[in-house]
Amino acid sequence: NAGVTQTPKFRILKIGQSMTLQCAQDMNHNYMYWYRQDPGMGLKLIYYSVGAGITDKGEVPNGYNVSRSTTEDFPLRLELAAPSQTSVYFCASSPTGGNTIYFGEGSWLTVV
Amino acid sequence: DAKTTQPNSMESNEEEPVHLPCNHSTISGTDYIHWYRQLPSQGPEYVIHGLTSNVNNRMASLAIAEDRKSSTLILHRATLRDAAVYYCILRDVTTGTASKLTFGTGTRLQVTL
Repeated sequence: NAGVTQTPKFRILKIGQSMTLQCAQDMNHNYMYWYRQDPGMGLKLIYYSVGAGITDKGEVPNGYNVSRSTTEDFPLRLELAAPSQTSVYFCASSPTGGNTIYFGEGSWLTVV
Repeated sequence: DAKTTQPNSMESNEEEPVHLPCNHSTISGTDYIHWYRQLPSQGPEYVIHGLTSNVNNRMASLAIAEDRKSSTLILHRATLRDAAVYYCILRDVTTGTASKLTFGTGTRLQVTL
């Protein structure tokens, strides 16, 4: 059971570089989410999607972009990486907005 | 989403029951109470949820106050593998858009031998 798969698990970026965090789910869930978690803090929602072709901003969207061309994939793009984007990123999915949310294992990103 | 208040940390001995409290005095009638936990270096995982009645599953029990302004997650016999951060979250499932989880800092549970 793959569930929610995130890649890469670890990445070091230089300031100003760009990269894409990949997220895929094999549960045919309509809803997908990207969260970030800073050390010792709770999770903050970056972007979410309620279905293919539909995305919306969460609490902390600045510096990020997303797309949802298929039900399965929800990549998160970081443009012009900054040290403030050093964090752990979690992708998640749920069947609908009110159901249990399933999280990936996280992607540790360091910007130096 | 309405706010929740949890203690920052709690300790328990292994094999003993643990009661993790959560206050949510501004809860609305359509808010479900959800609990997630996050083991070290992992993503959060669902534990249990309920609306008004107490709920039991293989992981835990959820006791909800009659006025719904507080709830308690009960781990019947804590093990070392239960050491995690536990998040109490309210979700309004009647909203037309995605019902987004809002995570606070949760309760860090330490379990000792």
